[in-house]
Amino acid sequence: SQELEQSPQSLIVQEGKNLTINCTSSKTLYGLYWYKQKYGEGLIFLMMLQKGGEEKSHEKITAKLDEKKQQSSLHITASQPSHAGIYLCGAPHQGGSEKLVFGKGTKLTVNP
Amino acid sequence: GAGVSQSPSNKVTEKGKDVELRCDPISGHTALYWYRQRLGQGLEFLIYFQGNSAPDKSGLPSDRFSAERTGESVSTLTIQRTQQEDSAVYLCASSSYLSSYEQYFGPGTRLTVT
Repeated sequence: SQELEQSPQSLIVQEGKNLTINCTSSKTLYGLYWYKQKYGEGLIFLMMLQKGGEEKSHEKITAKLDEKKQQSSLHITASQPSHAGIYLCGAPHQGGSEKLVFGKGTKLTVNP
Repeated sequence: GAGVSQSPSNKVTEKGKDVELRCDPISGHTALYWYRQRLGQGLEFLIYFQGNSAPDKSGLPSDRFSAERTGESVSTLTIQRTQQEDSAVYLCASSSYLSSYEQYFGPGTRLTVT
């Protein structure tokens, strides 16, 4: 079965610093979703990447999909306390099912 | 428009009791998903509905778990004879081909089995 591994598991940065979170798949990626989760809340959709080499940006968050490496990265520029939370990557399950397989998440803390 | 809503937001139950968790998807979304998130774990897929049928139930952990969906809207996840290992946040998501099947998640139900 497909597995997604996220690194690092947790990350503490000073406000204003840049950071990168990686998501590596055990199988070929046919798309990749990034979500953010805060305690007690549901998942907030950030970005969906569908094609190899695709890169998308929203405000200070940029995500890339490298199909050859079966990997996606999420980069935050000039981090702010509002960026704190758990970042989850999810990928469509192989075999035609509509379900998503998720990584275990990366917990981001941004210190003011 | 309204997003995905779930109720209750929190549920504490005694071991052995049955619980029902409710999900109201976004209006018009034909696909509905249930996931479970246990402490320190990623999201685990439970079941997927397309309309009222469930083509993928592969994630239901045991026969104590069941789900139904009526009228292509509300879905109910039922856990019978709850066990402590059922404690988790249960998340519901819905999607539509009109939004490229992007899954919109509800706030979840936090279930604690004592």
